[in-house]
Amino acid sequence: NAGVTQTPKFRVLKTGQSMTLLCAQDMNHEYMYWYRQDPGMGLRLIHYSVGEGTTAKGEVPDGYNVSRLKKQNFLLGLESAAPSQTSVYFCASRDRQNTEAFFGQGTRLTVV
Amino acid sequence: EDQVTQSPEALRLQEGESSSLNCSYTVSGLRGLFWYRQDPGKGPEFLFTLYSAGEEKEKERLKATLTKKESFLHITAPKPEDSATYLCAVQETDSWGKLQFGAGTQVVVTP
Repeated sequence: NAGVTQTPKFRVLKTGQSMTLLCAQDMNHEYMYWYRQDPGMGLRLIHYSVGEGTTAKGEVPDGYNVSRLKKQNFLLGLESAAPSQTSVYFCASRDRQNTEAFFGQGTRLTVV
Repeated sequence: EDQVTQSPEALRLQEGESSSLNCSYTVSGLRGLFWYRQDPGKGPEFLFTLYSAGEEKEKERLKATLTKKESFLHITAPKPEDSATYLCAVQETDSWGKLQFGAGTQVVVTP
């Protein structure tokens, strides 16, 4: 039982490049979330999904897109990376009944 | 505007020196207040959920309490392994489980 797994763990991008971050959970959770964490700030919600095929915007969605084609996977895409997107990205999941969210280990992204 | 504020930003303790962390919040309707622990380079690890004012939960040297406006995380006789950043988050009612986080309190416990 791996829980929530994020791929990759580290990445360096040049401005304007694109990439996709993968989040996979093996707990059969309905809800999944992408957050970013920056120094001195709390985790901020980028996008979330309440079920396969559904997504919604969070607090800071600009510059990001997401997809939830399979229940266990939640993808976060950057179409044209900007230095302001340098951050640590965390994926989380939870089931419909319980309130506890489980987090992945994070992806550290640097955009130069 | 809904917000979550944690204080202090950083706390340095001697081993055995008890202390408390504060999390104040303003939300229109509280579904739950969460405490997480985060170690460097790792994701947040769940500690507690509190649902209503007056509720308390304990785990080893940690005890969380909740009022209508704030929550406290008490660390009793801390050990060096309690060193971490402690995050507070709130979930509003009808919010699909979305969490609003505070900036965290970094705790360092020295031997």
